[in-house]
This record gives sequence, structure tokens and C-alpha cells, in this order.
Amino acid sequence: QKEVEQDPGPLSVPEGAIVSLNCTYSNSAFQYFMWYRQYSRKGPELLMYTYSSGNKEDGRFTAQVDKSSKYISLFIRDSQPSDSATYLCAFNTNAGKSTFGDGTTLTVKP
Amino acid sequence: GAGVSQTPSNKVTEKGKYVELRCDPISGHTALYWYRQSLGQGPEFLIYFQGTGAADDSGLPNDRFFAVRPEGSVSTLKIQRTERGDSAVYLCASSFKRAPGNEQFFGPGTRLTVL
Repeated sequence: QKEVEQDPGPLSVPEGAIVSLNCTYSNSAFQYFMWYRQYSRKGPELLMYTYSSGNKEDGRFTAQVDKSSKYISLFIRDSQPSDSATYLCAFNTNAGKSTFGDGTTLTVKP
Repeated sequence: GAGVSQTPSNKVTEKGKYVELRCDPISGHTALYWYRQSLGQGPEFLIYFQGTGAADDSGLPNDRFFAVRPEGSVSTLKIQRTERGDSAVYLCASSFKRAPGNEQFFGPGTRLTVL
């Protein structure tokens, strides 16, 4: 069983829609929870990072963590065509390396 | 300032050949990571350096893979006797100090194709 399961997608939504991206994990040692955005043929870039259960908001993006259910989500409000990319959830223990989900590809149509 | 750079951007080689992939981290970043990303999958951890030493090499798939960071800055990932299954994008990332909480900045990757 993989440590991280991410909703596979692909996901296609109209501009302005609210998008929900989700991951579950099994490793209780994961303490840090991240979302990366990856455009085609580019490296991942960090969008959101949190270490506690609850919500964290940054502009149109909200990261939600539920440690008891081992479930994290990323919400995108008022989605834009420029949000079209692959979104990766990622997890860290105290050991340094990150464990990634396989990504959800999002297309926002004008 | 400059981000993480990786060279070459693309590398095509034949099965059995030796390849070297280079990573230039952001200046001052002490931690450096190598990941491998296959098509349709997330990055998979290979090795992590703190300074010059490999702090965790548990992700290296076998002894054909080796990485060095002799002066604590530039790193080279070396693959011997390449196999077709080694074809992937090899990503390098660096952070100012040891993760977990610190942001890892990724380079654009080297796309390796083994024919």
C-alpha cells in the first residue's frame, strides 16, 4: 500500500469554479503537509505549507489538514486558466525528504 | 537571485552507457535533494545532502546510482550502466537549511532518455 494516495484526475472545470484537490496518507510520522504546483516541463513550486490540523488560507488558496482522518485538501476559489497545472501533495517527517502524491492535473477552461 | 539550475536539460543515451547529471543549488542553501519523476507520477526521493555529506541515500534504487557534493554546493548524480527503466526526469531541489519545514526550491529537471 502506498503511503500517499491522491485523487488521480484529470479534473476540468470552468473559469471561476471552486476546485477541491485531495490526498490521504497512512504514515503517522508525517508532520508537515505541503501542496506544490507543477507546470508542464517545469519543476514543482511550493504553494502552501502547514504543520497543524485546520485551515490555512493564502489568497485564493486554502489548505486543509485533518490529522485524525489522515486527509488533506487544497481548495482553489475563483479558479483561473493560469491555475491549469498538475498539483502535488507532499509530506515530510523530521528526516528531510518529502513523499509526494502522484498529482492531479487540473484544466480551467475560459 | 538565480534559482536552482540543472544541466543538461535533456540527455539521450544508449543502454549501458554512463551519465552524469549536474545540479547548481541556490547560493547559501545547505541542503540539496535529488528526486526522480516518471511520467504520470510524483517525484520520488533519491538522496539528500546536508553540506558535503549524504544524510540520507535510502532512495537510491541500486548501486548503479551514486551522487556527490564535494564542496557543499554543486552536486552530480551519476548513473552507471544505464537501463531503459532509468528514463525519467531527474529533479534537484535545495533549501536554506534542513527540512522538514523549509521550502524546497526545485530546478527544472533533466529529462533522461535511455534508448
